[in-house]
Amino acid sequence: KNQVEQSPQSLIILEGKNCTLQCNYTVSPFSNLRWYKQDTGRGPVSLTIMTFSENTKSNGRYTATLDADTKQSSLHITASQLSDSASYICVVSTGNAGNMLTFGGGTRLMVKP
Amino acid sequence: EAGVAQSPRYKIIEKRQSVAFWCNPISGHATLYWYQQILGQGPKLLIQFQNNGVVDDSQLPKDRFSAERLKGVDSTLKIQPAKLEDSAVYLCASSPISSETQYFGPGTRLLVL
Repeated sequence: KNQVEQSPQSLIILEGKNCTLQCNYTVSPFSNLRWYKQDTGRGPVSLTIMTFSENTKSNGRYTATLDADTKQSSLHITASQLSDSASYICVVSTGNAGNMLTFGGGTRLMVKP
Repeated sequence: EAGVAQSPRYKIIEKRQSVAFWCNPISGHATLYWYQQILGQGPKLLIQFQNNGVVDDSQLPKDRFSAERLKGVDSTLKIQPAKLEDSAVYLCASSPISSETQYFGPGTRLLVL
C-alpha cells in the first residue's frame, strides 16, 4: 500500500529560528515528490518538486532534500517568519504517468513572535 | 491569471440534507480534481476528470457522492444525503494536460450537523 508519513504532526518555533520537517514514503513506482504549503482556509500551493535524480531543491528560504534510497525527504525552513505558519504537505507521485498522488497528513507549523 | 474558483466558501447543513459545490478551473486546464480534506489530514482524491471524462473515481462514495463536468470546463460535486462524517474541506484542483502540477482552489468548508 502506498503511504506517505510526515513528522512531526505539529511544531511551534520562534520567529527567526530554523526548522526541518520530515517525510517518509513507501510508494512504488516513484515519479516525483512535492512539498505544498497550505495556509489556513486556503488550498495547497506548491513549494518544490523533485524527481528521482534530484537531491535538493530550494525556493527562497525553503530547501527540500530527497534521498531516493531511503525514501525520505525533508523540508528545511531558514530564518522562519510569522507568515510561514501553515500546514506543510508532502505529496508523492506514483504510477507510470506520475499522475497518481499520495498525500501525507501534513505538519502544522506555528511560528511565534 | 485567475486561479481556481470554488463556491460556496462555507456551507452548514443538517445530516440527510443535500449539498452541491461548484468549481471553475484555470482556463485551458484539461484535468480537474476533487479532494476531500478532513481536519488535520492531507487531502484525499475523490474524483479526477480529464476534459469531461472520468479518469479515476475509485475513492468516491458513489452511494451518496456524485460529480460531473459536462462541458469539460466547470464541475459540480454533490452529496446526497449528507452524513456527519462528510464534514470536511472540499478542494478542487486543476492542471494542464501536459503537467503534473496541480493548482488548488480555496476549498469549500462543509459542516454537517
